[in-house]
Amino acid sequence: QKEVEQNSGPLSVPEGAIASLNCTYSDRGSQSFFWYRQYSGKSPELIMFIYSNGDKEDGRFTAQLNKASQYVSLLIRDSQPSDSATYLCAVQGGADGLTFGKGTHLIIQP
Amino acid sequence: NAGVTQTPKFQVLKTGQSMTLQCAQDMNHNSMYWYRQDPGMGLRLIYYSASEGTTDKGEVPNGYNVSRLNKREFSLRLESAAPSQTSVYFCASTPRQGGQHFGDGTRLSIL
Repeated sequence: QKEVEQNSGPLSVPEGAIASLNCTYSDRGSQSFFWYRQYSGKSPELIMFIYSNGDKEDGRFTAQLNKASQYVSLLIRDSQPSDSATYLCAVQGGADGLTFGKGTHLIIQP
Repeated sequence: NAGVTQTPKFQVLKTGQSMTLQCAQDMNHNSMYWYRQDPGMGLRLIYYSASEGTTDKGEVPNGYNVSRLNKREFSLRLESAAPSQTSVYFCASTPRQGGQHFGDGTRLSIL
């Protein structure tokens, strides 16, 4: 069974600092990796996706993938209170749906 | 741009009742999905449809049926609702590459 592991948190980060969120996955055949943000009572919102080893940057967000270590991370630079949410890591191996982690609750302290 | 539209947004059922959750997307995506989200359990895949005319079971299909009515619409049916099916249900669709786009969810309570 495919598994995606995340630290549930809460992870507390001061405003303006870098928030680092981590995720490991069990299926070596996973090909696509995603980070979603979910505010309380809302639906998941796609932030980043990454397919290849290395880093991918989009504004204040950087996704990092290391397939050999089966490890995905999300860095949020210059953290803002509006970044406070639950961050979901998800992986996909084929045409079937995503396998999600249970999410990390991030709190940005003003 | 409606994206993925789910109806209803809220529903309360009694044990044993049936109902259908509706989902429609206007992004011309081939693949559509139904998930449930429970506290402490994360999002779990119920059923998916990789293309019009096909459906497949996900991680937690028991107690549910689906219909891919056409390319736009993918419905989820509970034939005999049970309290264990109390959850938030999300429909999603995906392009060939890139992540899934989620609807706003249906909050379902079964008494």
